[in-house]
Amino acid sequence: SQKIEQNSEALNIQEGKTATLTCNYTNYSPAYLQWYRQDPGRGPVFLLLIRENEKEKRKERLKVTFDTTLKQSLFHITASQPADSATYLCALNSGTYKYIFGTGTRLKVLA
Amino acid sequence: SAVISQKPSRDICQRGTSLTIQCQVDSQVTMMFWYRQQPGQSLTLIATANQGSEATYESGFVIDKFPISRPNLTFSTLTVSNMSPEDSSIYLCSVGREGEKLFFGSGTQLSVL
Repeated sequence: SQKIEQNSEALNIQEGKTATLTCNYTNYSPAYLQWYRQDPGRGPVFLLLIRENEKEKRKERLKVTFDTTLKQSLFHITASQPADSATYLCALNSGTYKYIFGTGTRLKVLA
Repeated sequence: SAVISQKPSRDICQRGTSLTIQCQVDSQVTMMFWYRQQPGQSLTLIATANQGSEATYESGFVIDKFPISRPNLTFSTLTVSNMSPEDSSIYLCSVGREGEKLFFGSGTQLSVL
């Protein structure tokens, strides 16, 4: 069955460092991969979308890579700040309305 | 972009009762989605609601348990019927086009006693 794996353990990093989150998937051929941020008590907020034919996408301090051979995406936050503390969700989409979400990785940036 | 207002934001309900969650979008959208997010779990799609047609339910979700209304292009409701503690979860309304980003409401935190 289709499966997305994100590190379920919380990631703690020091302010100013680069946070790297991993999303691995199996039994799926996504056309798109997306990353969302979710704060407690809030719905997810879209951050970045990367297509299957793209290797890397950047937006300000955020960078996403997409390796369809390894079936993996890496999400980087450079110069991390305490305000970046949240849960980050990976989502796959094959070009339809149906998305498959990972369980998310909780990031905590320590001041 | 789309701004979604969802209510209630949270509720505590008794076993056997029903709760209706409302979702209002600030623009007309074709498709609206209802997700469930159980503690420690990923978002799971319950159903897709199109205006003027029956909602399409995903495997494991049935209309008798989760009836959905979609009276117009900006509004939808999800009812959680005959609730049990296993229904305790966050329910999220969402809109988006195929293959594009999703916009979410702030969610409804439901606790069933």
